[in-house]
Amino acid sequence: GQNIDQPTEMTATEGAIVQINCTYQTSGFNGLFWYQQHAGEAPTFLSYNVLDGLEEKGRFSSFLSRSKGYSYLLLKELQMKDSASYLCAVQGGSYIPTFGRGTSLIVHP
Amino acid sequence: DTGVSQNPRHKITKRGQNVTFRCDPISEHNRLYWYRQTLGQGPEFLTYFQNEAQLEKSRLLSDRFSAERPKGSFSTLEIQRTEQGDSAMYLCASSQITGQPQHFGDGTRLSIL
Repeated sequence: GQNIDQPTEMTATEGAIVQINCTYQTSGFNGLFWYQQHAGEAPTFLSYNVLDGLEEKGRFSSFLSRSKGYSYLLLKELQMKDSASYLCAVQGGSYIPTFGRGTSLIVHP
Repeated sequence: DTGVSQNPRHKITKRGQNVTFRCDPISEHNRLYWYRQTLGQGPEFLTYFQNEAQLEKSRLLSDRFSAERPKGSFSTLEIQRTEQGDSAMYLCASSQITGQPQHFGDGTRLSIL
């Protein structure tokens, strides 16, 4: 089976940097995804890591360490619109993603 | 690319009724997934299709749940004899090939009275 753990809630200030961690245990590994989900809306894809290291995409970066079962999503230059839930999803040997509960990020002015 | 489309957006029904939801994936996407999401949780995988073949259905929540994708294009998810606990958001997602990021529809919110 798979187990994914991420913090329930985080708060940060507009303009700051925030790091959202995700730890996982999985049988087989075929990639880790981060999605953003605003309240009442569908999840939207942010990043995909399959090899160790950092993937950068604009203000968002994602890091993966397969040996540690660990990933983080880094959000820079926070904006109010970044207030959302951030979902970590691990794709196991069957290529079926398992999602974490999500981290609710609240950005304050 | 018009995105993944789900209908209806909202469904309110009485306990015991049957409901059917439709999902139209992005046209060139072969893989189609169904998830259920409740408040404060991440999406929970239900089933998926590769073209018209349903490759995993053991995680459907009970035998009241069934899904079809008869021509490898749109898909339907049916819940028979609905129960209060079925109230949730039902999400559909599609991807072009195995392992690639999924694109989600806006979901169907089901409310059981």
